[in-house]
Amino acid sequence: SAVISQKPSRDICQRGTSLTIQCQVDSQVTMMFWYRQQPGQSLTLIATANQGSEATYESGFVIDKFPISRPNLTFSTLTVSNMSPEDSSIYLCSVRPGLTDTQYFGPGTRLTVL
Amino acid sequence: AQSVTQPDIHITVSEGASLELRCNYSYGATPYLFWYVQSPGQGLQLLLKYFSGDTLVQGIKGFEAEFKRSQSSFNLRKPSVHWSDAAEYFCAVVPSNDYKLSFGAGTTVTVRA
Repeated sequence: SAVISQKPSRDICQRGTSLTIQCQVDSQVTMMFWYRQQPGQSLTLIATANQGSEATYESGFVIDKFPISRPNLTFSTLTVSNMSPEDSSIYLCSVRPGLTDTQYFGPGTRLTVL
Repeated sequence: AQSVTQPDIHITVSEGASLELRCNYSYGATPYLFWYVQSPGQGLQLLLKYFSGDTLVQGIKGFEAEFKRSQSSFNLRKPSVHWSDAAEYFCAVVPSNDYKLSFGAGTTVTVRA
């Protein structure tokens, strides 16, 4: 299994500002992902965070809005840039130790943009 | 198009009654199948998963799921629900030719006394 922590757990931000969310895993993992869960909705994959290279973004998500860093096999950050109220969501970090392994999720960061 | 569908948005069940949540998928080959639960204000917890083999899968918290290839379904069941089972339940898949986990829309379960 993998234990994932995220910081901050929640935040309230002003329109136009940026927030960086940190994700720390208790073991080295190859595959790390970032998801968004809008209010009352399911989870949508934002991007796959690749160690040593640029993240791979899903359709509808761009690097300028959601820059991601993955400096090593246990840590990643997601930045939500130039925020608007529509960015109010829960952002979840997720890891999968191996291709056919269970995927684990962090507790999430609840973001409210005013 | 490839998709995972949870037909029931909301289910209300009495405590002690049985529960069944439906999940259907539309993929060319059988994907890896998962059920996750999200309790209010909590992260996601894996209930059970199916990769291959026995089509009846046992999970945590007394849940089980049955894979039916002919119906492209992976329904979740619990014989007797507890008030603590009130939560959001997500069916999720990883296609056999991909690595990304995709989620259904979710089913909200309410348990009444």
